[in-house]
Amino acid sequence: GNSVTQMEGPVTLSEEAFLTINCTYTATGYPSLFWYVQYPGEGLQLLLKATKADDKGSNKGFEATYRKETTSFHLEKGSVQVSDSAVYFCALSGAGGGADGLTFGKGTHLIIQP
Amino acid sequence: NAGVMQNPRHLVRRRGQEARLRCSPMKGHSHVYWYRQLPEEGLKFMVYLQKENIIDESGMPKERFSAEFPKEGPSILRIQQVVRGDSAAYFCASSLNHQETQYFGPGTRLLVL
Repeated sequence: GNSVTQMEGPVTLSEEAFLTINCTYTATGYPSLFWYVQYPGEGLQLLLKATKADDKGSNKGFEATYRKETTSFHLEKGSVQVSDSAVYFCALSGAGGGADGLTFGKGTHLIIQP
Repeated sequence: NAGVMQNPRHLVRRRGQEARLRCSPMKGHSHVYWYRQLPEEGLKFMVYLQKENIIDESGMPKERFSAEFPKEGPSILRIQQVVRGDSAAYFCASSLNHQETQYFGPGTRLLVL
């Protein structure tokens, strides 16, 4: 079946540090890949996406590249801010295997300290 | 341009009662998905509906849970005879077409006492 594995949290960084949150996936087909962000007490917001191999999704300074050879979609940001503190979810869809919904990782809690 | 709306935002029920969660998709979206998020866990897919049809319910528990998306009105997730293990955040998402980007609502946080 399909699955998403992302690095365990919490990840604690200082403001302006470089961020990487690892995400790898297992899929039976050719999925689309997503990063969602969840702020405390809120729903998920789409951060960025990529629909095919070698595509790079980017938004608000965050980037992730769809790497088919390593089945990865790592999230990066060059200089984080306190306002980036949230839980980040990697997800995939459209990979076949029967289920029509998104398959999510467990989430990575990011804490940015001033 | 209103996003996905869910109500109530918080719901408290006693064991054995029924819980009804509502979801209004984004304007123009006819595809609705329900997910459950248990504490410290990621979201788990429950059911995918189009207007008046359940397309995929592979993630729904076999008993006590049901979902509908009528021709008029919001999608409803119904949990009968709730138990403490049903306490979770329930999120609804909608998309314009199947397997296109899903947009999420703010969720309903269900607490079963």
